[in-house]
Amino acid sequence: AQSVTQLDSQVPVFEEAPVELRCNYSSSVSVYLFWYVQYPNQGLQLLLKYLSGSTLVKGINGFEAEFNKSQTSFHLRKPSVHISDTAEYFCAVSKLQGGSEKLVFGKGTKLTVNP
Amino acid sequence: NAGVTQTPKFQVLKTGQSMTLQCAQDMNHNSMYWYRQDPGMGLRLIYYSASEGTTDKGEVPNGYNVSRLNKREFSLRLESAAPSQTSVYFCASSLRWGSNTEAFFGQGTRLTVV
Repeated sequence: AQSVTQLDSQVPVFEEAPVELRCNYSSSVSVYLFWYVQYPNQGLQLLLKYLSGSTLVKGINGFEAEFNKSQTSFHLRKPSVHISDTAEYFCAVSKLQGGSEKLVFGKGTKLTVNP
Repeated sequence: NAGVTQTPKFQVLKTGQSMTLQCAQDMNHNSMYWYRQDPGMGLRLIYYSASEGTTDKGEVPNGYNVSRLNKREFSLRLESAAPSQTSVYFCASSLRWGSNTEAFFGQGTRLTVV
């Protein structure tokens, strides 16, 4: 079975500080990994994705994530956050179910950036 | 481009009432999905349609039905609403079936069942 664990439900940080949002997945096969962001009262928007190739993936708004196969992790990072980064962030992994692949989401991490 | 449009944005139902959530996309996508989002649970897949003319159950299909009306539209129906169906519902679409394709989400429907 494939699942996603986001280790922190809430992460408060100060503006211009670095941030890391942690995500671990369980899978016995190759996976595709994603980070989505949800701003208040909005739908989800893709930040970045790892399909293959370079393990360091760059996304929108200055975010990046590193795929670590040995640690089964896909942590999201940003060197300096802004107030506007306040949102909920979801890690997701592909899941093989019934012969089809589907996205399985983690429970989310609420990032609050304080002035 | 509107992207993925969901209606209504808010709805309050009484237990036992029925309603249909509408979803339309204008990106010529083949695959469409319905998720529900509950606090601390992330997003869970209710039903999906890999292509026009096909629908399949996701992780939490009980109490719901879907119709892929055409390539653009994918509706979710609650036949007899229950308080446990109080949630935020998201419709999404992707160009094709497969987990390596980006999903685009609507802005959600906040449903309360009293």
